[in-house]
This record gives sequence, C-alpha cells and structure tokens, in this order.
Amino acid sequence: AQRVTQPEKLLSVFKGAPVELKCNYSYSGSPELFWYVQYSRQRLQLLLRHISRESIKGFTADLNKGETSFHLKKPFAQEEDSAMYYCALSGYNYGQNFVFGPGTRLSVLP
Amino acid sequence: GAGVSQSPRYKVAKRGQDVALRCDPISGHVSLFWYQQALGQGPEFLTYFQNEAQLDKSGLPSDRFFAERPEGSVSTLKIQRTQQEDSAVYLCASSLGWGQGAGEQYFGPGTRLTVT
Repeated sequence: AQRVTQPEKLLSVFKGAPVELKCNYSYSGSPELFWYVQYSRQRLQLLLRHISRESIKGFTADLNKGETSFHLKKPFAQEEDSAMYYCALSGYNYGQNFVFGPGTRLSVLP
Repeated sequence: GAGVSQSPRYKVAKRGQDVALRCDPISGHVSLFWYQQALGQGPEFLTYFQNEAQLDKSGLPSDRFFAERPEGSVSTLKIQRTQQEDSAVYLCASSLGWGQGAGEQYFGPGTRLTVT
C-alpha cells in the first residue's frame, strides 16, 4: 500500500541556516509527489510538485526514485518559512491513492 | 473568484447527533475530495468525486459516514450518530482536472467538529 513518512515532527533551525525536511514514500508504480504547506491560521496550500521542477519561495525538492525520497530543501531559512509542511503522494488512480504524510512543523528561530 | 468554502467552520455535536458539513468547491472544478484530519496528524483521505460520481469512498471509516455531490458542484458530508472519535477537522479540496497529474488541489478552511 502507498505510504508517506516524515520522520521529524518538529524541526527548529536558525534564520539563515539551511533546512531539509525529509520525506520518504512507498508506492509500487510511478507516483506524483507534492509538498503542501500550512501557515498559521491559513489553509493548506500547494508549495511545489515534482513534475513542475520549480523553485517556490526558495524551496526545491528532487524526486529520488532509488531512495524513494522527496526531501524539501532551502539553503537559507527565513522566519516566514515557519509553518507545517506535509509531503503527499498521488498514485495512478485518484482518490485513495492521494496520501499525506504526518507533517513536520518547521520553526525558524531569529 | 472565491476559493473553496466550507460551512460551518465549527460544529459542536452531542454524541449520537447527526451532522452535515458543506463544501462549495471552486466553480468548474471537476474533482472534489474530503479528508479527515485528527489533531497532530496529516489529512486522511475519505472520499473522492469526479463531477457527481463518487468514484472512491474507501476512506470513509464506517457506514455512519455518507457523502454526496448531486449536481457536481456543492458537496455534503453527513455523519450519523456521531461518536467522540469523529472529532476532527474535516477538509474539502477541489481540483480542475482528474486522475494523476490533474493539478493542484485547493483546500477549504475546514470544519472543526467536536463531539461531546
């Protein structure tokens, strides 16, 4: 069955430090991977998806099929990056194949 | 235009009561999802509609949960005989297309259900 794991519930870094939020997945086919973010008192929103290969707000994520990982990285964290981050996977058939990880709370300290 | 809206935003129900949660997706969006998010957890899939067709309801936790989208727009999630374990935030999301790679899911603000 498809599964998404995010090993860190909480990650604290200082402003200007690099940050990496880990995501590993299990899926037998070729999934699509996403990162969603939820800022305080805001709704869940898409940050980036692997097929677009974009850099959003300085964040990037590379799909590593060999390691089944989709880690989110940013070279210099900003205080406004503090939020809840969810990795998600979409399987071939929509619906139950859209699976979210448990989330990592990123806290960027001044 | 407006994004996905949900009502009510907060609902307190006594155990055993029935509740109905409403979702207004973005106009023209084909796909609609319902998720349940317990405290400290990620959203968990409940059910998926493509227009008015409920193509997947495998995530509904029991037969007390029922969802509909009769005209392919507004959707209602109904929970009968609520139990304390139903307390959670219920999220609705819509997307323009369908299937893998269909595009970004746009989320509503959620309905926080508390069963006492």
